[in-house]
Amino acid sequence: GNSVTQMEGPVTLSEEAFLTINCTYTATGYPSLFWYVQYPGEGLQLLLKATKADDKGSNKGFEATYRKETTSFHLEKGSVQVSDSAVYFCALTGSARQLTFGSGTQLTVLP
Amino acid sequence: EPEVTQTPSHQVTQMGQEVILRCVPISNHLYFYWYRQILGQKVEFLVSFYNNEISEKSEIFDDQFSVERPDGSNFTLKIRSTKLEDSAMYFCASTWGLAGGVTQETQYFGPGTRLLVL
Repeated sequence: GNSVTQMEGPVTLSEEAFLTINCTYTATGYPSLFWYVQYPGEGLQLLLKATKADDKGSNKGFEATYRKETTSFHLEKGSVQVSDSAVYFCALTGSARQLTFGSGTQLTVLP
Repeated sequence: EPEVTQTPSHQVTQMGQEVILRCVPISNHLYFYWYRQILGQKVEFLVSFYNNEISEKSEIFDDQFSVERPDGSNFTLKIRSTKLEDSAMYFCASTWGLAGGVTQETQYFGPGTRLLVL
C-alpha cells in the first residue's frame, strides 16, 4: 500500500535559517504529492502540491520538487520566519483518492 | 473564499454514548472525506463519500461508524457507542468532482472537531 515517511521532529531553527524537511514515499502508479501545514489550534491547510514527476510546487516561499527517481518530495524554505512555526505534513494521493499522510514534523522558529 | 466548516469545535462525551459530528463541505464539491488525528499521531483516513454512498473506507471505519448526507449541505459522521480510543481530532474534507468520477485532487479541510471520550 501507499506510505509516506517524514523526517522526525521537532525541528527548532532561528529566524532566517534555511529549512529542509525530508519526505519520501512508497506508492503504486503515479501519486500526487502534497504538503499540508497545521498552525497551532487550527486545521490542515494545503501549502503546496505537485502532480507529476519534476513538478515543483511553491507557496509562501516554500518549495518542493517531485523526484520520482528518489521517490522524494522534500520541503525547503530559504529563510524561515517565526510565523512559520507549525506542524508540516507530507501526503500523497494515489489510485485511491484518500490522502495518506506522514507523521508530521513540528517546526519551531525562534526570534 | 469558500471553506469547509465543522461543528462542534469541541465535544466531550461519556464512553458508550453516541456522537454526531457535522460538516458543511464547500458548496460545489462532490467528494467528501473524514479523517482523524489521535493526539500526537498522524492524520488517518476514515472514509470517503460520493453520490450518496461510501466509496472507500479504512480498517478503522468499523460498524460503530456511519456517515450520511442528510440534506444538500451537511455531511455527518456518527459514532454509535464511543470508546476511549475514539478520542481524537476529526477532520472533514471535500474536493471537486467531475462527471465520470474524475476528481480534482486538492482536498480542502475543515478546522476539525476535538472529541474527548471519558
